[in-house]
Amino acid sequence: EADIYQTPRYLVIGTGKKITLECSQTMGHDKMYWYQQDPGMELHLIHYSYGVNSTEKGDLSSESTVSRIRTEHFPLTLESARPSHTSQYLCASHRQGQETQYFGPGTRLLVL
Amino acid sequence: QKEVEQNSGPLSVPEGAIASLNCTYSDRGSQSFFWYRQYSGKSPELIMFIYSNGDKEDGRFTAQLNKASQYVSLLIRDSQPSDSATYLCAVNPNDYKLSFGAGTTVTVRA
Repeated sequence: EADIYQTPRYLVIGTGKKITLECSQTMGHDKMYWYQQDPGMELHLIHYSYGVNSTEKGDLSSESTVSRIRTEHFPLTLESARPSHTSQYLCASHRQGQETQYFGPGTRLLVL
Repeated sequence: QKEVEQNSGPLSVPEGAIASLNCTYSDRGSQSFFWYRQYSGKSPELIMFIYSNGDKEDGRFTAQLNKASQYVSLLIRDSQPSDSATYLCAVNPNDYKLSFGAGTTVTVRA
C-alpha cells in the first residue's frame, strides 16, 4: 500500500484565483498521475509524469499545468480558476515494474 | 467506442447473495486488468488485479479474465452492506496509463 497525500482536501475559491493542488508520495514511485472526476462520472487522466522533469498531458484537455522537480512531489496548478474547474482531483502513483496505481484521498475543488 | 465499458447499474443484490460485475475492453493488446472500489466521495482503492486468463480469488472476491472475448468480471460472494460502492474496471492498454470504465454502482440490501 502506497502512502500518497493530497492537500488541501477541500477548497472553495473565487473565480480568477490561482491555486495549486499538492500531491506527495513517500514510496519513491517514479510514475505519478492526475485524474479529474465529476460526481458519478468516470475518471479522466489530465496529466502524468514518468519521472523527474517529465510531464505529459493526459487524455482529457485541461487548463491546468503540472511540474515534477522532485520524485515525491507532483503539484497541479490552475492559473485562473473558473467554475468549470469545479471537480474532484485525484493523484495516483506507482513504481517502475508495477502496474497497480494507488490513489491519494483527493481534493474537492469548488470555484464560485 | 469507449476503451473500457461497464454497465452503470445500479446493481441491487440482497445481503449474502453473489454480485456479478462485467467489463469489456477494446484494446486486444491489453495485458493487465484491475478492479477498484470507490465509496461515495472517496478515492478509488484497489481490490484485485489479474494478468492471466482464468480466475483469481481473494477472499470473497473473484476476478475472471477471458482475453479472447476481451472480457473481465468481478464476483462478490456473500455480499455485505459494506460492499455497497461503485466498482471501477481499469485496463492497461499500453505504456503505464490505465483506462477506466465509468463504474458499476452496487447496492447490497440488508
